[in-house]
Amino acid sequence: GAVVSQHPSWVICKSGTSVKIECRSLDFQATTMFWYRQFPKQSLMLMATSNEGSKATYEQGVEKDKFLINHASLTLSTLTVTSAHPEDSSFYICSARDTGIGVETQYFGPGTRLLVL
Amino acid sequence: GQNIDQPTEMTATEGAIVQINCTYQTSGFNGLFWYQQHAGEAPTFLSYNVLDGLEEKGRFSSFLSRSKGYSYLLLKELQMKDSASYLCAVRPQKGGGNKLTFGTGTQLKVEL
Repeated sequence: GAVVSQHPSWVICKSGTSVKIECRSLDFQATTMFWYRQFPKQSLMLMATSNEGSKATYEQGVEKDKFLINHASLTLSTLTVTSAHPEDSSFYICSARDTGIGVETQYFGPGTRLLVL
Repeated sequence: GQNIDQPTEMTATEGAIVQINCTYQTSGFNGLFWYQQHAGEAPTFLSYNVLDGLEEKGRFSSFLSRSKGYSYLLLKELQMKDSASYLCAVRPQKGGGNKLTFGTGTQLKVEL
């Protein structure tokens, strides 16, 4: 299947700092990428849809000024958690939509575990 | 709104067969996906159904009934490595860039 990478895989930071997470589609182009957040023993919650060359679409309840998304190219989307607080500690997962195989499947990155102290 | 229900936990024996059910009530329907997620890892794609019926792929099969808002994932010849969380996800509409809504997942434990 298609490969999606995320960097970094682990982040530990102090409260108040900003953290940037990168999501890359390695062997296909993705006009659309998605950012999810997953708390322990819970399912994936969609935060926003990232569209190449345009503004991201945020889900209800997700602060767009706190979670900045940039999709500057067909293979890269970034999520910046601004002024992170302990309640932002979570597992952040991106996915990219691959339309090349006719199923429009979403392939997930390996995730980024964020711990805010 | 969107509502997707799955059992929280299931336990099965190595070598056996297990069926994980998923029911959904969504504002639209344009496909149902099953993903496997091991602890601490990202989900991996297992299957996709958009028409009624059974899709078979090796030890895994997935069934869909759109009129009943129901799907199941069937795992045969269970192996210890199949212990994981299984996520049912629905794509409510064609637009919206392929947005998926996930269920809470079923934690499957395979025992000897």
